[in-house]
Amino acid sequence: QKEVEQDPGPLSVPEGAIVSLNCTYSNSAFQYFMWYRQYSRKGPELLMYTYSSGNKEDGRFTAQVDKSSKYISLFIRDSQPSDSATYLCAMSAGGSNYKLTFGKGTLLTVNP
Amino acid sequence: DTAVSQTPKYLVTQMGNDKSIKCEQNLGHDTMYWYKQDSKKFLKIMFSYNNKELIINETVPNRFSPKSPDKAHLNLHINSLELGDSAVYFCASSQGSEGRGYTFGSGTRLTVV
Repeated sequence: QKEVEQDPGPLSVPEGAIVSLNCTYSNSAFQYFMWYRQYSRKGPELLMYTYSSGNKEDGRFTAQVDKSSKYISLFIRDSQPSDSATYLCAMSAGGSNYKLTFGKGTLLTVNP
Repeated sequence: DTAVSQTPKYLVTQMGNDKSIKCEQNLGHDTMYWYKQDSKKFLKIMFSYNNKELIINETVPNRFSPKSPDKAHLNLHINSLELGDSAVYFCASSQGSEGRGYTFGSGTRLTVV
């Protein structure tokens, strides 16, 4: 079983739709959870950051973490064509462990 | 002013050659990384340096050798390039290990022909 599983899609939605992206993980040491957005031929940029379980909202984006189920989600409300990108979940155990473990990424296309 | 900058952006080279990629960060971070992204977009860590000390060395062929002359710079040298080395290589930096503030460069697209 891979440490982090993410449905690679692709996912295609109309403009204005609510998008739900998900990752599951197996390593219970993960405490820090991130969503990165990566546009074509660019580096990943941090979109949302959450520590432990709970919800975090930032504008049209909401990140949810359920550590008991080892499941994280990213919701995008009122999706826009500019949201078209690959979305990568990433996780870290922190402490002396500096690496981020990524999911494979979900390619999202928002159609005008 | 770019936070994490890598050079070159594109690199096309023949099998068997040796090449280097350079990375510099101006964020004052204490840790720098090399990640490899394959053709399916999967990002995997290769190396990490914390204050010039190697702290992560994943299962990477020893043809790959990182070097960190100081906290702000991390270079990657690759010997005897192979077709399978073709990928996008990302440099990143962070302060601490919690993931917040982890910043990636724009990548070096390496193509081995």
